[in-house]
Amino acid sequence: GAGVSQTPSNKVTEKGKYVELRCDPISGHTALYWYRQSLGQGPEFLIYFQGTGAADDSGLPNDRFFAVRPEGSVSTLKIQRTERGDSAVYLCASSVSGTGRYETQYFGPGTRLLVL
Amino acid sequence: SQQGEEDPQALSIQEGENATMNCSYKTSINNLQWYRQNSGRGLVHLILIRSNEREKHSGRLRVTLDTSKKSSSLLITASRAADTASYFCASRMDSNYQLIWGAGTKLIIKP
Repeated sequence: GAGVSQTPSNKVTEKGKYVELRCDPISGHTALYWYRQSLGQGPEFLIYFQGTGAADDSGLPNDRFFAVRPEGSVSTLKIQRTERGDSAVYLCASSVSGTGRYETQYFGPGTRLLVL
Repeated sequence: SQQGEEDPQALSIQEGENATMNCSYKTSINNLQWYRQNSGRGLVHLILIRSNEREKHSGRLRVTLDTSKKSSSLLITASRAADTASYFCASRMDSNYQLIWGAGTKLIIKP
């Protein structure tokens, strides 16, 4: 596609439920990033993929969060047993390789998650 | 938190005036980038300045970088109502790919 797309745009769920958030990066981009952004804050790094593998998942807050990118393109962020504190906008970005020092990250529109 | 700092947190000016936002960071960097975000959704890359550059221009945007003070500024000249958005700086360390983000400046341009 022309840009990074994310689905759904908005997700409302109840505490304790499981959610999946999808990211479709720019075609050909090897690197994919997930961020979380709370109101009034900058993005907070969650995980970085190089191809199919998670090169750095140090930003995942706990083991309720997991992400996959099985074919090196689309990625899914999975949150188990959601908590109200998980409410935020989840942003996905992609870049050409991830290793280029001056690379631009291209962001999707985000998924706004609300946990009631 | 790893976040850098930006000031002001919010800025409201009249259309046609210049807007200046500042950003500070904590570690040695390879480059610093400025992004714009409308309505709390996707971020749009505006400009990147390398650590060996001191000033860079792109249209109505002017970015400066002072590595001795670990700070950067973004100047938007002749502001327009459409410039209303939040602006974030993101610094990239030399040692890895991660971007370290500031908390952003919310800019409101009054017509």
